[in-house]
Amino acid sequence: NAGVTQTPKFQVLKTGQSMTLQCAQDMNHNSMYWYRQDPGMGLRLIYYSASEGTTDKGEVPNGYNVSRLNKREFSLRLESAAPSQTSVYFCASSEIRSNQPQHFGDGTRLSIL
Amino acid sequence: RKEVEQDPGPFNVPEGATVAFNCTYSNSASQSFFWYRQDCRKEPKLLMSVYSSGNEDGRFTAQLNRASQYISLLIRDSKLSDSATYLCVVNPPGSARQLTFGSGTQLTVLP
Repeated sequence: NAGVTQTPKFQVLKTGQSMTLQCAQDMNHNSMYWYRQDPGMGLRLIYYSASEGTTDKGEVPNGYNVSRLNKREFSLRLESAAPSQTSVYFCASSEIRSNQPQHFGDGTRLSIL
Repeated sequence: RKEVEQDPGPFNVPEGATVAFNCTYSNSASQSFFWYRQDCRKEPKLLMSVYSSGNEDGRFTAQLNRASQYISLLIRDSKLSDSATYLCVVNPPGSARQLTFGSGTQLTVLP
């Protein structure tokens, strides 16, 4: 059972390059999320999609865009990568009911040189 | 003040010890509470939900104190495999299912 799948697992970019992080879930969840995690800091929400067709900014959206392609897929795009975006990125999904937890993919480790 | 605060540790305990972590949250109207576990360089995984009456899952016990706005996690008979970072997670009201994560408490269980 795959759960939440993220690609790629690792990526190195040069400053100014663009790329898209892919996320897909097979749990029929309505809500999907993108987080970044930096050393010494908790997970910070970048964008989320409460349901198919909607997206909203989280705590740290600057420099990122998202697309909720369908119920399964939620992608994160860096248009012009900056060294400050070096981080580990996690995608998560959940049911829409308030007492349900989120399930995470195994992360994308992104380095911007 | 951070929305969710945890003692970062590290907590270094011998095998078999009992260890407790606390977490405080700032929004008194928060609805849902969870403990997640994160191994080094891995994704966070749900350890347990935290219910108002307190709940237990094997060696793990979670408690919620709404009046004082804190959540606790007790681990009994610690195993080497319990070594990880434990994340306190809160669902504030009106947040459209967003969760707020604490920075985590690092636990190392020593042989």
